[in-house]
Amino acid sequence: GAVVSQHPSWVICKSGTSVKIECRSLDFQATTMFWYRQFPKQSLMLMATSNEGSKATYEQGVEKDKFLINHASLTLSTLTVTSAHPEDSSFYICSAKVPGRGETQYFGPGTRLLVL
Amino acid sequence: GENVEQHPSTLSVQEGDSAVIKCTYSDSASNYFPWYKQELGKRPQLIIDIRSNVGEKKDQRIAVTLNKTAKHFSLHITETQPEDSAVYFCAANTGGSNYKLTFGKGTLLTVNP
Repeated sequence: GAVVSQHPSWVICKSGTSVKIECRSLDFQATTMFWYRQFPKQSLMLMATSNEGSKATYEQGVEKDKFLINHASLTLSTLTVTSAHPEDSSFYICSAKVPGRGETQYFGPGTRLLVL
Repeated sequence: GENVEQHPSTLSVQEGDSAVIKCTYSDSASNYFPWYKQELGKRPQLIIDIRSNVGEKKDQRIAVTLNKTAKHFSLHITETQPEDSAVYFCAANTGGSNYKLTFGKGTLLTVNP
């Protein structure tokens, strides 16, 4: 149990376009999901906490108008990178908390974004 | 906020040897400390975690120790195998109930056959 999926697994887009990434919990309901960004050979940096039915909580320095998060159901959170630029190229990973398992987070497989 | 320091950044061992990775944290309110293993291009996978009410936890070849007074915790891998080669991240939750995790910078472990 506790399977998290992401789609797409990789995406290439032109500068200025928007890209939507989906994060799904497949066998459990996730009231809280997290979005991370990971640059090559670096650690995971939390971007925002996504709460079902309410606004996301963004970490300091993350532009909420650029990285739109929607958690419309208990199994789906989406991250939209608006007006993407080459510096947004990165590995985006979501995670979800499993009800009843406290703070444990299970990660999705990640989405590799390349902005040309 | 929470700050997690992880050492070493790279670690190379011979197959069969033990590997130890150490982390320190700054927030005395942190009470949950997971370790994740990440292979190149893959998702981080939880390998073991510990909560502040215990000092040690073991799962086969993997163990984690926690010293709350000193605010440090360590990952121990015994009888290392080439498939243990990966990047290992420690993490600590921030104080309070928001369940956020702060990650260390990672340790690249290489197990040489």
